[in-house]
Amino acid sequence: GQQLNQSPQSMFIQEGEDVSMNCTSSSIFNTWLWYKQDPGEGPVLLIALYKAGELTSNGRLTAQFGITRKDSFLNISASIPSDVGIYFCAGQPQFQGAQKLVFGQGTRLTINP
Amino acid sequence: DTAVSQTPKYLVTQMGNDKSIKCEQNLGHDTMYWYKQDSKKFLKIMFSYNNKELIINETVPNRFSPKSPDKAHLNLHINSLELGDSAVYFCASSQATGVRGRSEKLFFGSGTQLSVL
Repeated sequence: GQQLNQSPQSMFIQEGEDVSMNCTSSSIFNTWLWYKQDPGEGPVLLIALYKAGELTSNGRLTAQFGITRKDSFLNISASIPSDVGIYFCAGQPQFQGAQKLVFGQGTRLTINP
Repeated sequence: DTAVSQTPKYLVTQMGNDKSIKCEQNLGHDTMYWYKQDSKKFLKIMFSYNNKELIINETVPNRFSPKSPDKAHLNLHINSLELGDSAVYFCASSQATGVRGRSEKLFFGSGTQLSVL
């Protein structure tokens, strides 16, 4: 089945730094979603992208749907301690139903104060 | 008010036992899911129900049986638990976007950590 490669797997940064992570696939996706998971909680949706080239922001977060429809990135500007957590990309493969999401392996973000 | 709630939060049990996890959503969504998150945090869909009907059934052992008494509830029963079943199980729900083929946004519960000893 389709797989998503998310990188990096983990990041250790200083508070205030910008963060960038991405997700790639060998096949075309119709939708890209970015989620954040805090310890002991379920993933929470951050940004949804539906069109190739789409660039969407949510506060300090910005995500883009790649032109080839095979990748997406998430940027976090001026990181703060509450940004710590695991970030997941998720995508809807082309020709799959609207309920069929594939998740990346996650990027674990750690921030040194 | 919690949108997607699942119980219990923690479940510790012996190998071979049968256990159930319950899930309820008050969002009015039509579709509910069970996902499994392994120790490496990889999330994989197990089942999906739309208006009480099974629409997605991934390669999951027959020991796992979901039941949806109504569209606001989706329970997961697991028979003859095995060590490899230890994981965090997430319930989720979503609503059709109204745009044909557009992916639905998932709303997750806080998870049930299952430990099989």
